Amino acid sequence: ETGVTQTPRHLVMGMTNKKSLKCEQHLGHNAMYWYKQSAKKPLELMFVYSLEERVENNSVPSRFSPECPNSSHLFLHLHTLQPEDSALYLCASSQVRGDFNSPLHFGNGTRLTVT
Amino acid sequence: AQKVTQAQTEISVVEKEDVTLDCVYETRDTTYYLFWYKQPPSGELVFLIRRNSFDEQNEISGRYSWNFQKSTSSFNFTITASQVVDSAVYFCALSESGDSNYQLIWGAGTKLIIKP
Repeated sequence: ETGVTQTPRHLVMGMTNKKSLKCEQHLGHNAMYWYKQSAKKPLELMFVYSLEERVENNSVPSRFSPECPNSSHLFLHLHTLQPEDSALYLCASSQVRGDFNSPLHFGNGTRLTVT
Repeated sequence: AQKVTQAQTEISVVEKEDVTLDCVYETRDTTYYLFWYKQPPSGELVFLIRRNSFDEQNEISGRYSWNFQKSTSSFNFTITASQVVDSAVYFCALSESGDSNYQLIWGAGTKLIIKP
């Protein structure tokens, strides 16, 4: 398998549920990202991990909790979400060397609906 | 302030027509990168091109071409002889060197519909 793979593709959860989104990259990249894409809004960067360390956290509510156990895997743990959290969640990876960052490679996303 | 503007929310053309997607950016940096990504209905954003601020040469890749004009802060994307498979949302993005290496400033996207 190649590229960036996200599971599940679709997720419906209630506000009291706990679920996790999974992302796996097979590109040998050393940085991974979570983005949120809502209708009629620009893409929002949520978290960045570089070499398994979190380097960006863009004021994301604590009900979203990322985990990066190794450079190939990234999780987004979800709990007590709100209906406004319904969106497409995209995972991406890139190769970072010093100041140089390769273009992002994205997964197909997880379409999340919070009821 | 950093900003990327894609003024065209949606464009609809008939197959084989040429179409240009506009992107205007704002930055105070002299060193920056500009990107175009394509998002087909499947959801995955696909990288199309990256251009650095020191390279104003226009680029052509098959039916795709990009026109980078620093004088007008624009990085427009043209599809020649459009095809139905070109239907997607196209995003322009900006990255500044020296700022957070991981931050991309994204435009709102232009939805392109190619009718058969």
